[in-house]
Amino acid sequence: NAGVTQTPKFQVLKTGQSMTLQCAQDMNHNSMYWYRQDPGMGLRLIYYSASEGTTDKGEVPNGYNVSRLNKREFSLRLESAAPSQTSVYFCASSGEGFASPLHFGNGTRLTVT
Amino acid sequence: GQQVMQIPQYQHVQEGEDFTTYCNSSTTLSNIQWYKQRPGGHPVFLIQLVKSGEVKKQKRLTFQFGEAKKNSSLHITATQTTDVGTYFCAGNTGTASKLTFGTGTRLQVTL
Repeated sequence: NAGVTQTPKFQVLKTGQSMTLQCAQDMNHNSMYWYRQDPGMGLRLIYYSASEGTTDKGEVPNGYNVSRLNKREFSLRLESAAPSQTSVYFCASSGEGFASPLHFGNGTRLTVT
Repeated sequence: GQQVMQIPQYQHVQEGEDFTTYCNSSTTLSNIQWYKQRPGGHPVFLIQLVKSGEVKKQKRLTFQFGEAKKNSSLHITATQTTDVGTYFCAGNTGTASKLTFGTGTRLQVTL
């Protein structure tokens, strides 16, 4: 049982380049999330998907797009990377009910130069 | 928007000492969750509190939810080196499936 799988683990981009972070879960969860983690700022929600076919903005959505491809997969795209997007990105999923705990992937460490 | 603050940002204790982190929300929460993140790792769910004034224990860890449901605390008795990591609270308001995470408290334990 893999849980939440994120790829890649590490990525270095140049300013202006684009990339997609992939996330898949095998727990049959309805809700999926993308967070970014920066020192001293905790985890900030970028986008979330409460169910297949729906996506909503979180606290810091600017510069990102998401796709809920199916129930298992939720991808995060940076169309034109900026140094301010250097961060650790975590994908998470949760089951039924708004109070369900989050299950996190191992994270992607992204550096934009 | 909702803000969740934690204090302290960092604490360094000797093994065997107690540790407490406090979580304060700008708005009333419907529930609060606590997560632990080991260095280089990802956040892992510890516990959830739902009721006003609720207290839950997990071995040496004691979690409390304030009467007004705007604050919470995590207390660790007799810390061990395995307790090292960053502890986050995360609150939920209403029925929205969005958690707002606190800023985290990093705990360092030395022998």
